[in-house]
Amino acid sequence: GENVEQHPSTLSVQEGDSAVIKCTYSDSASNYFPWYKQELGKRPQLIIDIRSNVGEKKDQRIAVTLNKTAKHFSLHITETQPEDSAVYFCAASITGGSYIPTFGRGTSLIVHP
Amino acid sequence: SQTIHQWPATLVQPVGSPLSLECTVEGTSNPNLYWYRQAAGRGLQLLFYSVGIGQISSEVPQNLSASRPQDRQFILSSKKLLLSDSGFYLCAGRRNTEAFFGQGTRLTVV
Repeated sequence: GENVEQHPSTLSVQEGDSAVIKCTYSDSASNYFPWYKQELGKRPQLIIDIRSNVGEKKDQRIAVTLNKTAKHFSLHITETQPEDSAVYFCAASITGGSYIPTFGRGTSLIVHP
Repeated sequence: SQTIHQWPATLVQPVGSPLSLECTVEGTSNPNLYWYRQAAGRGLQLLFYSVGIGQISSEVPQNLSASRPQDRQFILSSKKLLLSDSGFYLCAGRRNTEAFFGQGTRLTVV
């Protein structure tokens, strides 16, 4: 089955700095890579995703990159703000069929004002 | 729109007691449903998934079981809770390619 590794487990940055979270996956058949943000005590919510036919996707201050050959993908947050503080999860899955997303262990991002 | 309802939000149970967590989904039919457990530092671990009524697949051996008695209902159960069952349990559904989550249940076994 799929195995997703996520690093770092904790990331502390100053407000305005950039933050990068990296994930690797094992199943070359995976073709969909979502990122979820979980604020304290709340449910994870999708913030951005990328499909295997795209190398990069941006949405305002967040961007994701995907390297299919190396089987890794990353989340980039620029101009971080205190409200970006949360746990971020990457996931890998194969669209269609039973569709079982496999999640990384999460990164706790702390943005210091 | 599709939403997941999960209850209770918090639960404190003694060791050896039974467990029943219920999850229902609105706004879609024949959804894929999932139970995840989130333990500190361990991310989201898939426990069970279901593609339809009566169809349950288990990802890890454990003290828990799941049932899908109705199309939009997914239940997580245990006959006798262990201390190690403590954690944050999330029910999730599938919306196209997106997994969307319920609000979660914080289970503390004492």
